[in-house]
Amino acid sequence: SYKLTQPPSVSVAPGQTARIPCSADALSNQYAYWYQQKPGQAPLLLIYKDTERPSGIPERISGSSSGTIATLTISGVQAEDEADYHCHSAEDSDPPNWMFGGGTRLAVL
Amino acid sequence: DVQLVQAGAEVKKPGTTVRLSCKLSGYNFIDYYIHWVQRAPGKGLVWMGFFDPEDGKTVYAEDFQARVSFTADMSSGTVYMDLASLTSADTAVYYCATLVNLVSSPNGKVAVDYWGQGTLVTVSS
Repeated sequence: SYKLTQPPSVSVAPGQTARIPCSADALSNQYAYWYQQKPGQAPLLLIYKDTERPSGIPERISGSSSGTIATLTISGVQAEDEADYHCHSAEDSDPPNWMFGGGTRLAVL
Repeated sequence: DVQLVQAGAEVKKPGTTVRLSCKLSGYNFIDYYIHWVQRAPGKGLVWMGFFDPEDGKTVYAEDFQARVSFTADMSSGTVYMDLASLTSADTAVYYCATLVNLVSSPNGKVAVDYWGQGTLVTVSS
């Protein structure tokens, strides 16, 4: 089975742009999904199918994918963005195999 | 409204089995798989597998396959997860979730993604 790799932490000053990468060979032909999770809360979907935003997610949050790396970008970072961010994908296999990355803690300096 | 409601926290001894519940409401149960996801302290999310309410099919992640079981009582709309041979490494919050599904709407396909509130399982002697 494959593994999604994320950096354990990313730090950014308020107002700057945070970029969180997620890498795996399978991402070259499978979609990436991104979740935000704050302490004591269930994960919240931010991005699906690499670049799509669900209703209610602000435009300053975006996703991209190139080759084997998917990237979550948060522009104009705010204190409220401090959270854990998880990438997610599904291996195209039989039976299907879903997978999460190890998670990235975003620290707002 | 779609809701996944999980039972309260559990404290278990090492070597025992925990049964967690996830009560579904507000939608046609057969529309979505129910996945189980683990979040241990200091760790990321870990996918444990899914249950298909339409036919009872289960798929388990390799790391849990030997000691996890998903069942359901669809008359009450409740899905269960049993996790056996507990160790301290199983201390975690466990979530049930539909994960992402694309559904039709007047504006085309939209993404829906529903999670329970999580159940904390503490394994301690």
